[in-house]
Amino acid sequence: GNSVTQMEGPVTLSEEAFLTINCTYTATGYPSLFWYVQYPGEGLQLLLKATKADDKGSNKGFEATYRKETTSFHLEKGSVQVSDSAVYFCALSFLTGGGNKLTFGTGTQLKVEL
Amino acid sequence: ETGVTQTPRHLVMGMTNKKSLKCEQHLGHNAMYWYKQSAKKPLELMFVYSLEERVENNSVPSRFSPECPNSSHLFLHLHTLQPEDSALYLCASSQDEGALGGYGYTFGSGTRLTVV
Repeated sequence: GNSVTQMEGPVTLSEEAFLTINCTYTATGYPSLFWYVQYPGEGLQLLLKATKADDKGSNKGFEATYRKETTSFHLEKGSVQVSDSAVYFCALSFLTGGGNKLTFGTGTQLKVEL
Repeated sequence: ETGVTQTPRHLVMGMTNKKSLKCEQHLGHNAMYWYKQSAKKPLELMFVYSLEERVENNSVPSRFSPECPNSSHLFLHLHTLQPEDSALYLCASSQDEGALGGYGYTFGSGTRLTVV
C-alpha cells in the first residue's frame, strides 16, 4: 500500500537556522506530493505541493522538490523564524474512483527558539 | 465566507449526551472527509463522502454517525461517547477529478472535543 515516512520530531532550531524535514514515500505509480502545516490549535493548511517528478513546490520561503529516483520530498527553508513553529505533515495523493485519497505521514513538530 | 468552516470550535460533553459536529465548505468541492487527530497519533481517516455518497468507513464505532445532506455540508453525530474519543476532529474537502490531479485537501480548523 501507499505510505509516507517522516523524520521524527521534535526538531528544535534557533531562529535563522536552516531547516530540513525529511520525507520519503512508498507508492505504486506517481502520486502528487504535499506538505501541510498545523499551527497550535488549528487545522491543517496546505503549505506547498508538487504533482510530477522534478517539480519544486514553494511557499513562504519553504521549498520541496519531487525526487522520483529517491522517492523523496524533503522540506527545506533557509532561515526559520519563531512563527514557523508548528507541526509539518508530508502527504501523498492518488485520485481513485472512490475519491481523492490523501495519505499522511505522522507529522514532525518544529520548535524555533530565539 | 470561503474555505471550510467547522462548528463548534470546542465541545465538552458527557458520555450520555448526544451532540453533532458541523462542517461547511464553500469551495465547490464534491468530496468531504472526517479525520480524528489524537495526541501523539497519526491522523485517522474516519469517513469519506464523494458526491454525497459514503465511499469509505474505516471501522469507526457506531457511536459516530456521519451525515452528508448535500455537497456543501457534512455532519458527525455523536452519542454515548467514551473519554478516549476526546480529540481534535477535522473536516476536509477536495475536488475529485477523472484525471490525475494535484488536488490536496482544504481543512477546517477542527472541533476540540472533550468527553467527560
